Amino acid sequence: DTAVSQTPKYLVTQMGNDKSIKCEQNLGHDTMYWYKQDSKKFLKIMFSYNNKELIINETVPNRFSPKSPDKAHLNLHINSLELGDSAVYFCASSQEDRANYGYTFGSGTRLTVV
Amino acid sequence: TQLLEQSPQFLSIQEGENLTVYCNSSSVFSSLQWYRQEPGEGPVLLVTVVTGGEVKKLKRLTFQFGDARKDSSLHITAAQPGDTGLYLCAAYNQGGKLIFGQGTELSVKP
Repeated sequence: DTAVSQTPKYLVTQMGNDKSIKCEQNLGHDTMYWYKQDSKKFLKIMFSYNNKELIINETVPNRFSPKSPDKAHLNLHINSLELGDSAVYFCASSQEDRANYGYTFGSGTRLTVV
Repeated sequence: TQLLEQSPQFLSIQEGENLTVYCNSSSVFSSLQWYRQEPGEGPVLLVTVVTGGEVKKLKRLTFQFGDARKDSSLHITAAQPGDTGLYLCAAYNQGGKLIFGQGTELSVKP
């Protein structure tokens, strides 16, 4: 199936741990994103990569580090997890020259820091 | 800062009722998108409106872009339980980032 897939779906971890979330898209899109959705359902962009290059880096703590090994993958590594990092993280992709086609989102990773 | 403000934030109605969700901004956008997000899933694009005054229909959903391209509305006719979900408007800001409204959580009861 063509899609944006991210793993894991759920992640429960203790404060101070380091964790990674993986994302892959097989749509042939050239741009990938990470969004954070808070408890009030507000979606905020964190990072954007175009063809493996960082384009957008919002004001997120430097404990968050995205890595794009190729244009089909964008992983998110989080160091020294804090309680406030608990949220749902969404990966998305789009084709830059087809803005009106919108973004395709993965099904999210619910991160709970305890 | 370009913001998208949605109203209402929560809406609970009975099956068969009509409803309208609003998305407003003080900024002008070249286009605006509406997404629907179901529990445990990511947002899914419903429609993109581009021209001021444009109206698009998707079955029982009618989307309108304001004449000045600063606002949009989503009208659902004869809502059904399957319409339940989080409705999000989104637009590209001056930095080229897709920003979202805070969403409208719709619950349609049988």
